[in-house]
Order: sequence, then structure tokens, then C-alpha cells
Amino acid sequence: DVKVTQSSRYLVKRTGEKVFLECVQDMDHENMFWYRQDPGLGLRLIYFSYDVKMKEKGDIPEGYSVSREKKERFSLILESASTNQTSMYLCASRPDRGRGAFFGQGTRLTVV
Amino acid sequence: GQQLNQSPQSMFIQEGEDVSMNCTSSSIFNTWLWYKQEPGEGPVLLIALYKAGELTSNGRLTAQFGITRKDSFLNISASIPSDVGIYFCAGTPAGNMLTFGGGTRLMVKP
Repeated sequence: DVKVTQSSRYLVKRTGEKVFLECVQDMDHENMFWYRQDPGLGLRLIYFSYDVKMKEKGDIPEGYSVSREKKERFSLILESASTNQTSMYLCASRPDRGRGAFFGQGTRLTVV
Repeated sequence: GQQLNQSPQSMFIQEGEDVSMNCTSSSIFNTWLWYKQEPGEGPVLLIALYKAGELTSNGRLTAQFGITRKDSFLNISASIPSDVGIYFCAGTPAGNMLTFGGGTRLMVKP
């Protein structure tokens, strides 16, 4: 079974803190994604990466950055957390040539 | 990014009933995926479809890739309380990007 693991299920951070969300996949997938999910807004793509050290902005990249130094790991960074970044964050990975995308269990981040 | 049109937004049904939900797009898709998400969890892949006309089952779930490649449906037969959750469709119009539907919230009354 494909396993996508996010480092934390729940996080509480203070406004202005730098926050790291980590995601690791064990299936050698080329593509990895970070989404945030908010009630009524569905899943919105923040950033994605199609290869090591490669990244592309999604629909809502402002206030976020990413890092992909190794193929299996994709990190989402909130440079200076704000309360409007309180959300459920979901990581996903997908191989080239289709075959579905697989999600981690999600990280519920609260910024106070 | 583009969102798929998923309907209905929510359904409240009696245990044992069959359920149908669908997604449509204005553009052609190469892949259709159906996910279920339970509260506080990430979406879990239920069924993946790769060819127009393809009909695939997973237990009581059946999904089809529309002939026009612009739509897909998911059916759940003989619903049970543990079917409760949000069901998402997703598709790839091209390349490796995913586009998601808004979700169908399913509630099952025992």
C-alpha cells in the first residue's frame, strides 16, 4: 500500500511563527502536492513539485513556500503564520503516468 | 484552478438505499478518481478510472468514466451507516495536475 505520512495531525502555532509541515511518501512518486481544505472552499492547491528541487505555484501560494530536497519529502513552510492560515493541510503524491493520487492523513493547523 | 461540478452537494438517505453522485467538466479529462473523506482524515482513494466508458466496482461502489470524457458518476448500493462522509471526484485534464469537485456530503439514517 502507498503510504503518505504527514508529520503532525494537530498543530497550534502563534501568529508570526515560522511553521514547517512535513510530508513523506514511500512509493518513489515523482509528483507531490500541498492543499489546504476549508469549509465551503473545497481543496485548494498551494504548491506542487514534479521532481526534486522543482516547484510550481498552485492557486493560493501567497504566504507559503515549499522545499523538496529529496524525492520522498515535500515540506510546506509558513514564513510568518497568520490566523487566516488556520486550516486543514493535506499532502498528496502521485506517480507520472496517472494511477491515482494518494493523500496523507492531514494536519489541522490552528494559528492563534 | 478549475473546479469540477459535483452534485449533489449533500444527501440524507435511509440505510439500505442506493446513492448516486456525479461530476461534470467543461473540458476533456484523462483520468477520473473518486475519494471518500471522513471527519479529521485525509481523502482515501476509492476508485480510479483511466479509459472512456470504463466501469469499475469496488465492493458496493461502482464508478464510470463517461463516454464524452467530460463526466463520471459514483454509485453506492445498499448504503450502510459507515458510508457517511464526504465523497470527492477528481480528474486530470492533462499532465499531472488534479482538479477536484466540491464534494458530496453523504448522511445515512440507520
